[in-house]
Amino acid sequence: AQSVAQPEDQVNVAEGNPLTVKCTYSVSGNPYLFWYVQYPNRGLQFLLKYITGDNLVKGSYGFEAEFNKSQTSFHLKKPSALVSDSALYFCAVREGSARQLTFGSGTQLTVLP
Amino acid sequence: DTGVSQDPRHKITKRGQNVTFRCDPISEHNRLYWYRQTLGQGPEFLTYFQNEAQLEKSRLLSDRFSAERPKGSFSTLEIQRTEQGDSAMYLCASSLSERDFQETQYFGPGTRLLVL
Repeated sequence: AQSVAQPEDQVNVAEGNPLTVKCTYSVSGNPYLFWYVQYPNRGLQFLLKYITGDNLVKGSYGFEAEFNKSQTSFHLKKPSALVSDSALYFCAVREGSARQLTFGSGTQLTVLP
Repeated sequence: DTGVSQDPRHKITKRGQNVTFRCDPISEHNRLYWYRQTLGQGPEFLTYFQNEAQLEKSRLLSDRFSAERPKGSFSTLEIQRTEQGDSAMYLCASSLSERDFQETQYFGPGTRLLVL
């Protein structure tokens, strides 16, 4: 079975500082990993994904994520946070031939001006 | 706007009533997914279609829930005899299965259901 853990419910960071939102996963086969962002009362917006290849994945709005197979992690990062980055972030995993995504419980990111 | 659309955006109903939600996927996408999201949680998979065929259903999808995608385009999710525990955001997503391992699901804005 596939699972995802987001160990932090809340992350606060000052504007202009780097941000990291943590994600670890568990699968029995090859993992396909995703980050989505959700603004209040809205659906999920795709940010980036890791399928294969380079462990550092670049996505929308300056976000990037690093796949670490040995630590089974896929942390989301941004070098310089903006107030507008404040939102709920979800990590998700899909294993091999499975179609459905399994999501973590989400991390609320607040960027303070 | 060529994204996934859902209707209605909000629905308030009384316990025991039936409700139906609609999802229109991105036009060229052949896969369509339904998820449910409760407050403070990530979305949970309910079911998915490839074209008009419903290929997988979660154990979360009780007998009161039924989903259809009759012509392989839009989909409907019906909940019969609603219960207060059905209150949630219902999210639809679509994807293109052209290259399975590259598949990305794109989500609609969701339908928020409140059962009184």
